Amino acid sequence: GQNIDQPTEMTATEGAIVQINCTYQTSGFNGLFWYQQHAGEAPTFLSYNVLDGLEEKGRFSSFLSRSKGYSYLLLKELQMKDSASYLCAVLDSNYQLIWGAGTKLIIKP
Amino acid sequence: DAMVIQNPRYQVTQFGKPVTLSCSQTLNHNVMYWYQQKSSQAPKLLFHYYDKDFNNEADTPDNFQSRRPNTSFCFLDIRSPGLGDAAMYLCATSRGDNSYNEQFFGPGTRLTVL
Repeated sequence: GQNIDQPTEMTATEGAIVQINCTYQTSGFNGLFWYQQHAGEAPTFLSYNVLDGLEEKGRFSSFLSRSKGYSYLLLKELQMKDSASYLCAVLDSNYQLIWGAGTKLIIKP
Repeated sequence: DAMVIQNPRYQVTQFGKPVTLSCSQTLNHNVMYWYQQKSSQAPKLLFHYYDKDFNNEADTPDNFQSRRPNTSFCFLDIRSPGLGDAAMYLCATSRGDNSYNEQFFGPGTRLTVL
């Protein structure tokens, strides 16, 4: 079966750094997405990785290791507005998105 | 601005009363998706259209139907809503050229079943 695993919830402090991990087992791999979803709102795109390594985009970075079936999302200089759920999703061999259940990130002052 | 629009944002219906949710897009994308998302869960794909080709997920209940009359519009019909169908319904689009399949989401319709 296909499976995406990520922690259910994480807590971090404003101004700090947090790393959200995602591991996956899917039938094929055509890239991995990270989406941010605020409560009651639709997911919004954060990043896409298809090659191994780190992609940096401002305060957010995303890392991929295809051999390990592993990715992480790194958030720096945390702000209160970063409180949200972060969803990991993998594009499988049929180009369908397989979604994780999301990691709820709580930022404390 | 090009976007994905969903109406209404909030829908209340009664148990067993049919309801239709609508989605439109100005992105001219080939693929349109309907997801169901319940609290603290991953979005669950119900259907997707590649142009006019309809693709139903194996575990999507028969109570859910979909129509795509043209490239821009897609509808989700729930024939007899049950209490368990209360959820956020998300419409998304993608180019569908398989090289990069970022999905663009509408704001969602939150369905309440009384």
